[in-house]
Amino acid sequence: AQSVTQLGSHVSVSEGALVLLRCNYSSSVPPYLFWYVQYPNQGLQLLLKYTSAATLVKGINGFEAEFKKSETSFHLTKPSAHMSDAAEYFCAVMVTGGGNKLTFGTGTQLKVEL
Amino acid sequence: NAGVTQTPKFQVLKTGQSMTLQCAQDMNHNSMYWYRQDPGMGLRLIYYSASEGTTDKGEVPNGYNVSRLNKREFSLRLESAAPSQTSVYFCASSGQYNSPLHFGNGTRLTVT
Repeated sequence: AQSVTQLGSHVSVSEGALVLLRCNYSSSVPPYLFWYVQYPNQGLQLLLKYTSAATLVKGINGFEAEFKKSETSFHLTKPSAHMSDAAEYFCAVMVTGGGNKLTFGTGTQLKVEL
Repeated sequence: NAGVTQTPKFQVLKTGQSMTLQCAQDMNHNSMYWYRQDPGMGLRLIYYSASEGTTDKGEVPNGYNVSRLNKREFSLRLESAAPSQTSVYFCASSGQYNSPLHFGNGTRLTVT
């Protein structure tokens, strides 16, 4: 069964610093991977997705993620954090077997400080 | 463009009461889902409907029932609410195979 693990439930960075949110996956088949962002009291918004095309995936708001099969990782990065990036971020893997089901990680709360 | 619409936004129930959470999507998507979100646990799948007329259990289906009323609407029912069902509930939909899920803004449910 596919799963994802997010390392670090809370990450704090200074405004302008690099953002790195970690996600490792487990899958016996080539995975489809996603990053979602959740702002307070809102639903989840898609940041980016990996579907076996380019290994470096660019998303919205300046975020990108690199699929590394050798490390079973799909870490999310942004070169320069902005206050508006403060939110909760979820990594997810699509489960095979029909229905486009997603299994989510437990989330990482990103705090951006002045 | 409304996307995925959930009602109500907030609800407080007493233990043993019942209620139905409503969800509708206007994107002509085949698949619809109900997730619950609890602190430190991410989102967990309750039920999903891969297409109109079908429903299947997810990871945490106990205490819930669903109805895929038509292609647009997918409702979640709590027959006898329990405090353990206090959570934020999200409905989502998706289109073709391997396409991402689109989420509603959630229903915050408290069971006392």
